[in-house]
Amino acid sequence: DGGITQSPKYLFRKEGQNVTLSCEQNLNHDAMYWYRQDPGQGLRLIYYSQIVNDFQKGDIAEGYSVSREKKESFPLTVTSAQKNPTAFYLCASSIGPVFEGAKGYTFGSGTRLTVV
Amino acid sequence: DQQVKQNSPSLSVQEGRISILNCDYTNSMFDYFLWYKKYPAEGPTFLISISSIKDKNEDGRFTVFLNKSAKHLSLHIVPSQPGDSAVYFCAASEVSVGNYKLTFGKGTLLTVNP
Repeated sequence: DGGITQSPKYLFRKEGQNVTLSCEQNLNHDAMYWYRQDPGQGLRLIYYSQIVNDFQKGDIAEGYSVSREKKESFPLTVTSAQKNPTAFYLCASSIGPVFEGAKGYTFGSGTRLTVV
Repeated sequence: DQQVKQNSPSLSVQEGRISILNCDYTNSMFDYFLWYKKYPAEGPTFLISISSIKDKNEDGRFTVFLNKSAKHLSLHIVPSQPGDSAVYFCAASEVSVGNYKLTFGKGTLLTVNP
């Protein structure tokens, strides 16, 4: 079955350390996204990539970095510059631009990052 | 600037009754709207969508209504079941320009009591 795999499900890091969250999809989707969920804040877009070797900043990109070297993979690095890194991180993908009749995004099951 | 607003953080209903979740938007260029359902520690899953050229879309127990002039949409769940207890996100996009981005509301936690 095709889908998006995020690993690990839970991640703990010490303050000041960079950490990379994995996201892999086998849906043959061109576009991939990273969202962050905080209580009362909903889903906020961090970065997205429309195609391999290209990505754009979302609404809250500061303190994060991404790469898109392969179509299947879109890892997110949470750097020490991110002031409040503890959150639930969601990766998503779409076949391309959103279109009428489409289901929008397919989401992974998320990674809970806790920085202590 | 929050372009998609879900003003009710939570809603509690009895099993068998109707659940009505509301969503307002400010960007008049949005022309496609989606609802996602999310259980704790899982990713959101697509529930139902509606195009701006329609005012209603129905799928089983789920119906979405769109009032374009009021920039308001609502999700009706009838009858509500305990398994419907989840966070519901409203999302919007401007699909006419080949947009990749979805703008999400903050979500409404629905609790259906047995």
